[in-house]
Amino acid sequence: EVQLVESGGGLVQPGGSLRLSCSASGFTFSAHPMNWVRQAPGKGLDWVSYINNNSDTIYYADPVKGRFTVSRDNAKNSLYLQLNNLRAEDTALYYCARDGGRGGENDYWGQGTLVTVSS
Amino acid sequence: QSALTQPASVSGSPGQSITISCTGTSSDVGGYNYVSWYQQHPGKAPKLMIYVVSNRPSGVSDRFSGSKSGNTASLTISGLQAEDEADYYCNSFTSSNTHVFGTGTKVTVL
Repeated sequence: EVQLVESGGGLVQPGGSLRLSCSASGFTFSAHPMNWVRQAPGKGLDWVSYINNNSDTIYYADPVKGRFTVSRDNAKNSLYLQLNNLRAEDTALYYCARDGGRGGENDYWGQGTLVTVSS
Repeated sequence: QSALTQPASVSGSPGQSITISCTGTSSDVGGYNYVSWYQQHPGKAPKLMIYVVSNRPSGVSDRFSGSKSGNTASLTISGLQAEDEADYYCNSFTSSNTHVFGTGTKVTVL
């Protein structure tokens, strides 16, 4: 059974940093690109970042470019998102999602980890 | 990259069919067949319903179907059931090698 479990969220002050983790199991992690998607409270889905299976192709949404860094450790079946210089508008539930590899679709999602940016 | 445009809400009676539109530009929906649709119930993670415009993942009911014409993609739910009441989001690959979601549509079963 495919499982994705996010962790690392919490309350942080504006300008602060957090590192989110996503632990994967039930599939060959190294064979799949991965995405981070966020959802602000009561709002819609917002794509954040993409990393391919061997980390040589990475993309970011414009609002997080230069502040967030995605990485992965295939030996540990883990995906990461480093969040720096956080702003109030980054407050959201952050999901990791597996790219199914057929056309950019996210076929499995974690339950999310909540990041709250507030003073 | 602006969000793709979806109607805020769509409703229908049990057994009816409804269609949700997702309008973008030639730089996203119109330029690629990498359009997917997601269902999200309150407090739950999104679930993939359609990928590559019109393909259903294993386990998704054949009451769900997808299509695309020009810059607009559509999700049709036929034989509407109470369990279909949820939020639905489209997603497209873009010419900037990014992804963009739609604004979301709340489906209500009357």
